[in-house]
Formats: sequence, structure tokens, C-alpha cells
Amino acid sequence: TQLLEQSPQFLSIQEGENLTVYCNSSSVFSSLQWYRQEPGEGPVLLVTVVTGGEVKKLKRLTFQFGDARKDSSLHITAAQPGDTGLYLCAGEGNTPLVFGKGTRLSVIA
Amino acid sequence: DTEVTQTPKHLVMGMTNKKSLKCEQHMGHRAMYWYKQKAKKPPELMFVYSYEKLSINESVPSRFSPECPNSSLLNLHLHALQPEDSALYLCASSQVAKPLYEQYFGPGTRLTVT
Repeated sequence: TQLLEQSPQFLSIQEGENLTVYCNSSSVFSSLQWYRQEPGEGPVLLVTVVTGGEVKKLKRLTFQFGDARKDSSLHITAAQPGDTGLYLCAGEGNTPLVFGKGTRLSVIA
Repeated sequence: DTEVTQTPKHLVMGMTNKKSLKCEQHMGHRAMYWYKQKAKKPPELMFVYSYEKLSINESVPSRFSPECPNSSLLNLHLHALQPEDSALYLCASSQVAKPLYEQYFGPGTRLTVT
């Protein structure tokens, strides 16, 4: 069974701070996706990373895929209250998508 | 249009009722998915349809019955559910199932079984 471990589970920070969340596995994934989910809504895709070592930037968000395609990180610079939500990583493996348990981020103004 | 729509948004049903959840996309995607999400948990895959054929059933109880009438529509028929089936049911679609491209999720149906 392919598992994705996300850390930290919960994160509460002040507006303007930087943060990094991690997504780790012992399995290799063909691709890895990051989603953000608001309460009562479906996940919204932020990015897909495919190549080992790949770095993608989306405004203040920087995503990195590990060289071995087993792990990924999401770095947010100067967090804002609008970044609050559940961040999920999901890997394409033996089943279409394997989800991590998520990191619940709260950014306080 | 990158939208996946789901109806109804909320559903309350008794254990003897029969109801259906509906999902629609007009992005030309040929893979569609049903997920179940309990509170404070990640989505759990239930079913995958690829080119209107059921390709994955993640050992879901038969009281959940999926249907894909055409490439744009996905239904989930519910019958004799249990209170523990209460959850957010999410539909998603992608261009194809393998290799997986971006998966687009609908807003979900909040189901309560009484």
C-alpha cells in the first residue's frame, strides 16, 4: 500500500510569516499534486509536479518534488489569512490518487 | 469551463430511502471519480469510470451503486444506507485515468443518513 505522510498536521501562524509543509513516502510516485480545500468544499488543484527535482512557483507558493519522486514540499512566503485551509498532497501510484491526511493551516491576521 | 457540478448540495435521507447523487462536467474528460470524505479526513476513493466503464471499485458496499450514463454524467445511487455513511461525497474528473493529469473536484454533496 502506498502511503503519503504529511507534516505538520496542524499549523497556526501569524500573517506575514513563512512556512513549509512536507509530504513524504517510501514509495515512488509518477506525479504528485497539491490541493487546497476549504470547509464544505471540494479540493482545488494548486499544482502538479512530475519530474524529480522539479520546482514550481505559484505567486507566493513554491512547490518542490524530490529527486527520487518520493517526497514533496510546499513553501508559502508571507502567508496571508486567505491561505487558510487544508492542504492535501496526492500521488499518482497504483491507484489514481493516494491522498495524504493533510496539513490544516490557519493564518491569523 | 473547468467546473464540475454536483447536485444536491445537501441531502438528508433515512436508512430505508433510495436517493441519487448527480455529477456533471463539460470539459471533455473521459475519467470520472467518486470519493467519500469524512470530517477531518482526506478523500477516500470509491469508484473510477474510464471511458464510461467502471474500472476501479475500491471494495465499496453494494448499497452504493455508481452509474455513468454518458461521458459527461456520473451518478451515485444510494439505497439502505447506514448512519456511518454520512459524509461529504465528492465527484472529480480528469482527462484520462492513466496517466493521471489534473483532477478537478466538484463542491461535494453533504449527505446525512438518519
